[in-house]
Amino acid sequence: NAGVTQTPKFQVLKTGQSMTLQCAQDMNHEYMSWYRQDPGMGLRLIHYSVGAGITDQGEVPNGYNVSRSTTEDFPLRLLSAAPSQTSVYFCASSFTGTGAEKLFFGSGTQLSVL
Amino acid sequence: AQTVTQSQPEMSVQEAETVTLSCTYDTSESDYYLFWYKQPPSRQMILVIRQEAYKQQNATENRFSVNFQKAAKSFSLKISDSQLGDAAMYFCTYSGAGSYQLTFGKGTKLSVIP
Repeated sequence: NAGVTQTPKFQVLKTGQSMTLQCAQDMNHEYMSWYRQDPGMGLRLIHYSVGAGITDQGEVPNGYNVSRSTTEDFPLRLLSAAPSQTSVYFCASSFTGTGAEKLFFGSGTQLSVL
Repeated sequence: AQTVTQSQPEMSVQEAETVTLSCTYDTSESDYYLFWYKQPPSRQMILVIRQEAYKQQNATENRFSVNFQKAAKSFSLKISDSQLGDAAMYFCTYSGAGSYQLTFGKGTKLSVIP
């Protein structure tokens, strides 16, 4: 049972570099989302998707791009990394994403931008 | 916009004792869901318990129970017979019934003293 798989687990970038955080789920969930976790801030929603081809912004979308070409995958792209993007990133999914559902989380990616 | 407030950044409890974590929230919605998620040092997010706002009965899951006071917009988590494995960060979380966006509190770090 793979669940939600995130890669990489750790990454160090230099300011201005680009990278993609990968997220895949094998539970046939329509809803997928990306959160960032900063010390003392809880988790904040970056982007989410309610199905292939459909994405929308969350609370803190600036500096991040997403796309959803398949049900299984939801990559998060940093086009030009900034130190303010140093954080732990979590991908999460659920069947439909509506309020009642439990979220299934990946194990996180710790990103440092120097 | 909804807000979730956890006023206790850190708490500690003796093993086998009972501890209560506080959470208040602000919303104008009448239909919503509340959750407590646990994040142990492994970083994995785990759902502890869920409460539907339309239910007056407080949710329980084994040693975990909530005190849901809808009028006061309060949602506290009680952990009975605390165990070493309960040591973690606990996040109070809000979701509107038709919403795709969760709002997390800033978290309470719980330490369990042997």
